[in-house]
Amino acid sequence: ETGVTQTPRHLVMGMTNKKSLKCEQHLGHNAMYWYKQSAKKPLELMFVYNFKEQTENNSVPSRFSPECPNSSHLFLHLHTLQPEDSALYLCASSTQGFSGDEQFFGPGTRLTVL
Amino acid sequence: QQQVKQSPQSLIVQKGGISIINCAYENTAFDYFPWYQQFPGKGPALLIAIRPDVSEKKEGRFTISFNKSAKQFSLHIMDSQPGDSATYFCAASADAGGTSYGKLTFGQGTILTVHP
Repeated sequence: ETGVTQTPRHLVMGMTNKKSLKCEQHLGHNAMYWYKQSAKKPLELMFVYNFKEQTENNSVPSRFSPECPNSSHLFLHLHTLQPEDSALYLCASSTQGFSGDEQFFGPGTRLTVL
Repeated sequence: QQQVKQSPQSLIVQKGGISIINCAYENTAFDYFPWYQQFPGKGPALLIAIRPDVSEKKEGRFTISFNKSAKQFSLHIMDSQPGDSATYFCAASADAGGTSYGKLTFGQGTILTVHP
């Protein structure tokens, strides 16, 4: 077990729904990340938080809204999604977010947008 | 310039054979090159990583070969086993100086199947 948990593991939502993905890390790390993994595409970094401050927003549409209340928890709030947003959403954490810090991934949330 | 190109997309190897996956990059600022292994239903997990100051790093059956001048690096899996069947991702990151963060740029992934 990696020490990074994600809930729910599976989510099906309509385009008008609002839902949230939750990530929790038990590793004492200070950096947390959201990635999107689509079939046959590289993992795409979405957001980075370092010490609860957002340090990267990789041109993500505003229908994805991250929240990092503390260094252990990370949320991704979803609203008015599109079918092309269906993917595996992965959360990761690392010690301090520097290049070379090992990133520990959670198992992901499989999102299906109808 | 931020891309990392990975090949092949899929690879089938017999048990005991050598699996080789290649990656190429353009950004000369990259200073960290990890390989991640992902099993179905799991998130990626770090397998092995290298810095550009060395040309090779070996951990058990896994070896990274790094060619700085060619801007290429590869993963070699010796004595491949059925349990190695997974998706492998290369990645790269650069220390962004005053705004350092571990922004990993991933390759597209290689699905490795090792037949018994």
